[in-house]
Amino acid sequence: QQQVKQSPQSLIVQKGGISIINCAYENTAFDYFPWYQQFPGKGPALLIAIRPDVSEKKEGRFTISFNKSAKQFSLHIMDSQPGDSATYFCAASMKNTGFQKLVFGTGTRLLVSP
Amino acid sequence: KAGVTQTPRYLIKTRGQQVTLSCSPISGHRSVSWYQQTPGQGLQFLFEYFSETQRNKGNFPGRFSGRQFSNSRSEMNVSTLELGDSALYLCASSHITRDEQFFGPGTRLTVL
Repeated sequence: QQQVKQSPQSLIVQKGGISIINCAYENTAFDYFPWYQQFPGKGPALLIAIRPDVSEKKEGRFTISFNKSAKQFSLHIMDSQPGDSATYFCAASMKNTGFQKLVFGTGTRLLVSP
Repeated sequence: KAGVTQTPRYLIKTRGQQVTLSCSPISGHRSVSWYQQTPGQGLQFLFEYFSETQRNKGNFPGRFSGRQFSNSRSEMNVSTLELGDSALYLCASSHITRDEQFFGPGTRLTVL
């Protein structure tokens, strides 16, 4: 129940294309869903996050789509660029408990070809 | 505003030794969480500290411990190191009134 399932494991997209990464969860107590971007040798960087009271959130080229009934959420990267090549992690937490524990997906390695 | 800092960045230890890692959160952040990242297990929550108190603990053996100081800086300790403890140890800080957790660059621990 604490798991967050992420797919695909790896993804190759051409420059200018749309990258889509999907995550699913079981625990309906999760109420905060961030996405992190990690480059080799670096810590994860917060990209964008959503709460379940909205179905979509957009920040620049990055959009989260959230489907509460299906318990799924996804990251869309529009106009993908080679600089977006990194590993992306979805996560979930129960912010209403006051605790900061993030449960992470297994990661998606994105390669944007020039 | 300076980000989360972690020291040291790299460590090499041998089995049976112990190690202490340090984390300085973003100024004003009082919550500090620790995570272990390995290729096999991914990112796993170790523990979280707030106001010098451990609020939450992940599923790790008692060899993993931590503490937080009054200035919110945190340390984690691993005793009796095992080969499987080789990992990137990440610290994240957050503000009490905000959702976001910000990660440091991590400490790469190698156990030989």
